[in-house]
Amino acid sequence: AQSVTQPDIHITVSEGASLELRCNYSYGATPYLFWYVQSPGQGLQLLLKYFSGDTLVQGIKGFEAEFKRSQSSFNLRKPSVHWSDAAEYFCAVGRKGGFKTIFGAGTRLFVKA
Amino acid sequence: SQTIHQWPATLVQPVGSPLSLECTVEGTSNPNLYWYRQAAGRGLQLLFYSIGIDQISSEVPQNLSASRPQDRQFILSSKKLLLSDSGFYLCAWSVQLEGTIYFGEGSWLTVV
Repeated sequence: AQSVTQPDIHITVSEGASLELRCNYSYGATPYLFWYVQSPGQGLQLLLKYFSGDTLVQGIKGFEAEFKRSQSSFNLRKPSVHWSDAAEYFCAVGRKGGFKTIFGAGTRLFVKA
Repeated sequence: SQTIHQWPATLVQPVGSPLSLECTVEGTSNPNLYWYRQAAGRGLQLLFYSIGIDQISSEVPQNLSASRPQDRQFILSSKKLLLSDSGFYLCAWSVQLEGTIYFGEGSWLTVV
């Protein structure tokens, strides 16, 4: 069965510290992988995506993610977290066309001063 | 550039009343269109997707329906709302032959 797992429901990080949000997937075909961010009461904004090629992808707001096929993972990282990064983060896996995209349950990030 | 708008942003409706949420996409042609629901503290549930005018697929049986009267317009409706229909509804689109989904601002529906 196809699935996306974000093991951490919430994470608290100090401002200026590094961040890693985990994402594991199970998908039959070679997947397209995405990370989105959602601030309270707003829609989801695309942070970055991976289709093929270099397994380390750069996104907006200083985020990056690394695709590891052997581990079926696509973890999101940021070297130094800012208070404005507090939000919910969703990992997603899909394929061409978009209508088979599956979203994880999300990880809520709290940033403490 | 492409933009997506949905409205209304917030809606409070009594049980048994009808619903209409609208969504339009600008700057692209023949997009795939989607309606998702996000219940409080939960992830996203795909409700409907459409690959063209009057071509709607439903992912879950429910009290809601969707229509696509024009290429870039997607409407979510209900004839009689239930309390369980409360939630955050997101319209989204993607390019037909690509895989990235782009979301609207969302609509909060509270059924009382």
